Amino acid sequence: NAGVTQTPKFQVLKTGQSMTLQCAQDMNHNSMYWYRQDPGMGLRLIYYSASEGTTDKGEVPNGYNVSRLNKREFSLRLESAAPSQTSVYFCASSGNQRVQETQYFGPGTRLLVL
Amino acid sequence: RKEVEQDPGPFNVPEGATVAFNCTYSNSASQSFFWYRQDCRKEPKLLMSVYSSGNEDGRFTAQLNRASQYISLLIRDSKLSDSATYLCVVMGDYKLSFGAGTTVTVRA
Repeated sequence: NAGVTQTPKFQVLKTGQSMTLQCAQDMNHNSMYWYRQDPGMGLRLIYYSASEGTTDKGEVPNGYNVSRLNKREFSLRLESAAPSQTSVYFCASSGNQRVQETQYFGPGTRLLVL
Repeated sequence: RKEVEQDPGPFNVPEGATVAFNCTYSNSASQSFFWYRQDCRKEPKLLMSVYSSGNEDGRFTAQLNRASQYISLLIRDSKLSDSATYLCVVMGDYKLSFGAGTTVTVRA
């Protein structure tokens, strides 16, 4: 099992460009999450999907959209990238709809917006 | 005020030493507590859950103090491989809240 995979690993964008971060899990988990991690701050939840077909905003959703394509895949889209979106993005999944279940993280995507 | 606050460290300790650090949380209704470990430029991984009565996992001991709203992690007999950033994670309402992490460096 690969666990949680993310693509790309690194990306450089210019302000105003768009891109989609891909995430997939092979653990048959119901719930998936997108976080961003910035220096000196904890991981902050951008969006989450408690189950296939549902998505909800987290703490910092502005400037992002998500799609739960199927049970395995959960993508994060930046429609018009801004320098403030420079960050490390982690996707995570957990077994069921209860948040307290262990979350398994992907390796992260490092994004630089110039 | 941040929901979860941690001393960023770094805590520099020799091999074999004991190191302990705390984390405070602001939401008194928080329900579940965890310690995650994050190695440099890697993803976080669950180290251990924290139970009300306190719990051990090998050399790691976690404690919860609901009255004072803090949790602690103690590492005994530190190994070089324990060098990492330890994230305090609290579940309240509908989501997990992460601390910024405490960095521990174990030196030979």
